[in-house]
Amino acid sequence: EAGVAQSPRYKIIEKRQSVAFWCNPISGHATLYWYQQILGQGPKLLIQFQNNGVVDDSQLPKDRFSAERLKGVDSTLKIQPAKLEDSAVYLCASSLYYSGRAGGELFFGEGSRLTVL
Amino acid sequence: GQQLNQSPQSMFIQEGEDVSMNCTSSSIFNTWLWYKQDPGEGPVLLIALYKAGELTSNGRLTAQFGITRKDSFLNISASIPSDVGIYFCAGCNAGNMLTFGGGTRLMVKP
Repeated sequence: EAGVAQSPRYKIIEKRQSVAFWCNPISGHATLYWYQQILGQGPKLLIQFQNNGVVDDSQLPKDRFSAERLKGVDSTLKIQPAKLEDSAVYLCASSLYYSGRAGGELFFGEGSRLTVL
Repeated sequence: GQQLNQSPQSMFIQEGEDVSMNCTSSSIFNTWLWYKQDPGEGPVLLIALYKAGELTSNGRLTAQFGITRKDSFLNISASIPSDVGIYFCAGCNAGNMLTFGGGTRLMVKP
């Protein structure tokens, strides 16, 4: 079974430029997450989708970050314009979660490492 | 927001030693999980705990869900070099929303 696919693996940009990350979850997984992991810290949830609807985006800096999952499968996370503090690994994860089932079993991709200069 | 405090932040142990790390929260969680992250990779689930007081093993790993639902610990017995990595606890509540701790970095000396 193929895992969560992410691209690009690495991206270096100047501040104020824009960047986009792509994620393809495990087939059949309805729930998709984007996490930001700053060096030396644990992952922080940015946005959670259930199919193509947003479940939680309370920690997404909406003035510069946007995410979409138009057809309920793959997803794109965009940053525009980037700031120095956006340097981090952006992790995509998916899960089979559905209401009533014990949760927390997320499958993560390898991440996209962003460096903002 | 919810915060999980992991300790210790890092450990440097000899191969063959046992390891213990824990995680505490000011909030109650319905599920506690432990993930491991290797360099350049995403976190991988090690153990999931679904009931307060539950003690679960996975090979050399043992984890417990605290009776207050505000804490959990992870033990690794007879450590080996491939145990090196960062261990994260995570709490989960309704809606399958996870909150991660800051991680415990484990280093094993052969």
